[in-house]
Amino acid sequence: DIQMTQSPSSLSASVGDRVTITCRASQSIAIFLNWYQQKPGKAPKLLIHTASTLQSGVPSRFSGSGSGTDFTLTISTLQPDDFGTYYCQHSYSTPITFGPGTKVDVK
Amino acid sequence: QVQLVQSGAEVKKPGSSVKVSCKPSGGTFSNYAINWVRQAPGQGLEWMGGIIPIMDSTNYAQKFQGRVTITADESTTTAYMELSSLRSEDTAVYYCAKSGGTSWIFDYWGQGSLVTVSS
Repeated sequence: DIQMTQSPSSLSASVGDRVTITCRASQSIAIFLNWYQQKPGKAPKLLIHTASTLQSGVPSRFSGSGSGTDFTLTISTLQPDDFGTYYCQHSYSTPITFGPGTKVDVK
Repeated sequence: QVQLVQSGAEVKKPGSSVKVSCKPSGGTFSNYAINWVRQAPGQGLEWMGGIIPIMDSTNYAQKFQGRVTITADESTTTAYMELSSLRSEDTAVYYCAKSGGTSWIFDYWGQGSLVTVSS
C-alpha cells in the first residue's frame, strides 16, 4: 500500500498569512494527489485534484503543486473560514489512502 | 451538483452487522462510482472500498476484505455498505463519496452516518 505522510501535523497562523502544508507519498504517484478540507462534524470537501487543479467553486487562494512523491498545498492569504483539518489523498491505485491530516487554527 | 443522502445513526452489538445506505440525487448513478470512507472518533479518513454500479464492479481495501460488502440497487438508485462481525473499533462515521469511475477523486460526499458498536 502507498503510505501518505503530512507535515506539520498542526499549525496556527494569522489571517493574511501564507500557509504551506506538505504531503509525501511512499512511492511515486505522478500527479494523482488530491487535497480535502474538513471542518468539525462535517464531511470532507474536495479542494484540489490531480495535484494542482482547483475544484470548481474553491477560492483561488488555494493552490497545489508537486509531482512524484512530494506535494504542497498553499493558502496564499489565510482567511478566518480556512480553519479545519486538511488531508491529502492519493488516487494512483487501490487501496486509496489518506494522509494523517494537518489541523489549521486561525489565530 | 450531486447530493448524497445517507441513512441515519445506528447502534449495534459486537458481532452483529450494519448496513448503511447512500442515495444520490438526480435519480441515476450515471457512470460514476460510490465509495465508502470511514472516520473513527478523532481519527483520520480510511477508504473501505467502492462500486461502479453501471458496471457492477467493486473494489475493496484488503483490510476489510471478507467483512465488507458494497452493493448498488439501480432500481432505487441506492448504494449500500454492509459491515459484518462488528467490533468496538468499527465505531466511526461512515461516509459515502462519489468519484468519476475509477478516478478515485471524491468530489461529492454524503453527510455521514454514525455507527456505534457497543455491548
